[in-house]
Amino acid sequence: NAGVMQNPRHLVRRRGQEARLRCSPMKGHSHVYWYRQLPEEGLKFMVYLQKENIIDESGMPKERFSAEFPKEGPSILRIQQVVRGDSAAYFCASSKTRDTLGTGELFFGEGSRLTVL
Amino acid sequence: TQLLEQSPQFLSIQEGENLTVYCNSSSVFSSLQWYRQEPGEGPVLLVTVVTGGEVKKLKRLTFQFGDARKDSSLHITAAQPGDTGLYLCAGARGQGGKLIFGQGTELSVKP
Repeated sequence: NAGVMQNPRHLVRRRGQEARLRCSPMKGHSHVYWYRQLPEEGLKFMVYLQKENIIDESGMPKERFSAEFPKEGPSILRIQQVVRGDSAAYFCASSKTRDTLGTGELFFGEGSRLTVL
Repeated sequence: TQLLEQSPQFLSIQEGENLTVYCNSSSVFSSLQWYRQEPGEGPVLLVTVVTGGEVKKLKRLTFQFGDARKDSSLHITAAQPGDTGLYLCAGARGQGGKLIFGQGTELSVKP
């Protein structure tokens, strides 16, 4: 999983501020997924993106959260007006193809840990 | 509602003991994956099982997918301190990386 780069690794924000989390997928990967992990809970799917397209955002909260994966540059998960309940570890994963169960695997980054004061 | 229930949630054993972690659901999955996650790190894929009844071995780890593709187990033989970590099962209902994760089993192996 060393190939998926996430930054920042740790981010502290006060309530009402914005948080931007970045994810650079592994080289050659064009499929990106964002997951959130709350303390003592498993990872929860948030959104699946391909270059310039949001494919599935069924796990994204309806308000304050947005994600993008531009043609150039990393994927960004943006949280506006953060609240304490947004404190969590946010993981990005990437795959080469949509078929992660066949030829590909899902590679996770080391996560970005958001703390909201 | 947790679609994938893992048990036990916590397990502390001595080096050399055997253990089994279970992952159960009332839903059918097209495949199931097991990950291991260490503190401050992202999950690392251990295995993917696809066929009902499938058994895969990875050194001292044996993974089994239930016949009905609703459950899975992870058995570790002669556990070692290096096996310590959070073990996560994750089910998929199709292709792609949209996975449903269990809440994890925190394993501690004491020397």
